Amino acid sequence: GAGVSQTPSNKVTEKGKYVELRCDPISGHTALYWYRQSLGQGPEFLIYFQGTGAADDSGLPNDRFFAVRPEGSVSTLKIQRTERGDSAVYLCASSLNGGSLHEQYFGPGTRLTVT
Amino acid sequence: DQQVKQNSPSLSVQEGRISILNCDYTNSMFDYFLWYKKYPAEGPTFLISISSIKDKNEDGRFTVFLNKSAKHLSLHIVPSQPGDSAVYFCAASAIPTQTGKGANNLFFGTGTRLTVIP
Repeated sequence: GAGVSQTPSNKVTEKGKYVELRCDPISGHTALYWYRQSLGQGPEFLIYFQGTGAADDSGLPNDRFFAVRPEGSVSTLKIQRTERGDSAVYLCASSLNGGSLHEQYFGPGTRLTVT
Repeated sequence: DQQVKQNSPSLSVQEGRISILNCDYTNSMFDYFLWYKKYPAEGPTFLISISSIKDKNEDGRFTVFLNKSAKHLSLHIVPSQPGDSAVYFCAASAIPTQTGKGANNLFFGTGTRLTVIP
């Protein structure tokens, strides 16, 4: 079956602009996660959805970052007034159900470059 | 503060030999540990996991060992193959807090780049 897909694969934007990153999870997976991976680092948790609701958004760095999942499947990560420090690979993952005992399946990521 | 640490950024091993990748953690609330493998331009792929109630889990050529008292885990690959060349991430998840937060996200190490030489 299809895995997690993310679009676009690459995004270059100017400082101060708004961007949206899209994630299509594996069909039937109720849990969806966003991570950010900066150069030379491991993925860092941003937000977790269970169904349509954000169950844990404690990883969002500030209020410029926001994510939605209105119908419980596709999710969009939104970044306002982008800064050069936002440049990273943004990874989306899904799992069958939330909780620590289920593996998260990752998409290929969106590489965001803020110039 | 890095709660999961992989102190070796890279490792080179001859084909057919054993690869040992190490990981240390600081948070005693972690109860589940995973290893992910990552090829360039792809997302991490789940490899193997272990619950904190076990000290060993084996899947084919891959074995993960957990030493809770030392807060240390390791991944053994035997025999190593050139196709195993990738970046390996150690990850951990925690027992839920009273608010339910923190249980559903993974804490990752910085990764170890394994090169298996034919």
